[in-house]
Amino acid sequence: AQSVAQPEDQVNVAEGNPLTVKCTYSVSGNPYLFWYVQYPNRGLQFLLKYITGDNLVKGSYGFEAEFNKSQTSFHLKKPSALVSDSALYFCAVRDRTGTASKLTFGTGTRLQVTL
Amino acid sequence: SQTIHQWPATLVQPVGSPLSLECTVEGTSNPNLYWYRQAAGRGLQLLFYSVGIGQISSEVPQNLSASRPQDRQFILSSKKLLLSDSGFYLCAWSYDIGNNSPLHFGNGTRLTVT
Repeated sequence: AQSVAQPEDQVNVAEGNPLTVKCTYSVSGNPYLFWYVQYPNRGLQFLLKYITGDNLVKGSYGFEAEFNKSQTSFHLKKPSALVSDSALYFCAVRDRTGTASKLTFGTGTRLQVTL
Repeated sequence: SQTIHQWPATLVQPVGSPLSLECTVEGTSNPNLYWYRQAAGRGLQLLFYSVGIGQISSEVPQNLSASRPQDRQFILSSKKLLLSDSGFYLCAWSYDIGNNSPLHFGNGTRLTVT
């Protein structure tokens, strides 16, 4: 069985400071990893994904994520946070050998960026 | 480019009434289609997914059903709504090739059963 843990319910950061949203995963094989963002009363928007290759993945809106196989982590990062980054962030994992439907989401981390 | 439409945006229905939520995708063919429910603004629960017309897989036994009458149309239904059916319903699509295709979500339907 695969699982995703987002250990922080909420992350608070001041605008202009770097941000990190944590994610750890568990799969039986090699993973595909995804980050999504959700604004209030909207659907989830895809930010970035890790398939293979470079452990640092760059995505939309200046976000990036670092894949660490030994720590089974895929933390989301941004060098300089904006107030408009405030939203709910979801990490998701899929086993490479699994079916397309078997995408497991974390419980989400609320990012609050303040002036 | 591909777009996904989901309607209505909000819905208030009495207990025992029927439900029909519709989702359509434009700009791609033979997508995988999904219905998720998000409770309390957090956890996502996969309800149904479809890899083709008439092919529906149910992930969670419940009061709901899904149908795919056309390639890019996905419908979520119920004959009699329960209070516990309240939630935020999200439709999504992905390419049918490989497992690394991300999901692309619609803007959701907020259902309140009274």
